Amino acid sequence: ETGVTQSPTHLIKTRGQQVTLRCSSQSGHNTVSWYQQALGQGPQFIFQYYREEENGRGNFPPRFSGLQFPNYSSELNVNALELDDSALYLCASSLADTGGVAETQYFGPGTRLLVL
Amino acid sequence: EDQVTQSPEALRLQEGESSSLNCSYTVSGLRGLFWYRQDPGKGPEFLFTLYSAGEEKEKERLKATLTKKESFLHITAPKPEDSATYLCAVNTGGFKTIFGAGTRLFVKA
Repeated sequence: ETGVTQSPTHLIKTRGQQVTLRCSSQSGHNTVSWYQQALGQGPQFIFQYYREEENGRGNFPPRFSGLQFPNYSSELNVNALELDDSALYLCASSLADTGGVAETQYFGPGTRLLVL
Repeated sequence: EDQVTQSPEALRLQEGESSSLNCSYTVSGLRGLFWYRQDPGKGPEFLFTLYSAGEEKEKERLKATLTKKESFLHITAPKPEDSATYLCAVNTGGFKTIFGAGTRLFVKA
């Protein structure tokens, strides 16, 4: 196991509602990334947080937002849920490398969100 | 546009039948290539990181190799427990990590 935990494991919401997903990073890691994975697809990058600030963002609308806390835990918030938001949401933690080498990301088990 | 393509989409093998999975990439600059294994309904499990062409890494029945345009994941004498989806991901710098769609591997006893 990686030490990255996510909660809840499963969630059912209705269209228009808001949801908050949580992630606890692996000990010693300072960077967290969130991904959305639709069934049968690879993970799609949502955004990354480093030292409590958004470090980069993929092609997702502003209703997807996040936070990183001083203890490096993180939240993903999604407002105005749409049916297409149904997916597995993955959190990945890593230790940022200032030497230019890409750091390895370690994933949590994911949160399965179903929007009805 | 940066792109990662995995083939085949699905692969069915008999136990002990060795094969290879392919990950081809078209990116502006490779900083690292990652292989993950994902079981149904679970998060990806890290397997390997490769940084430069010619690099190879091994773990049990798996061996990953990297060239300037593609990576291969070789599976030697697979067992049914190797059945999973294998994901390839490429980092082009900073936060930019792009995943392929994965190869679903089925190994029959």
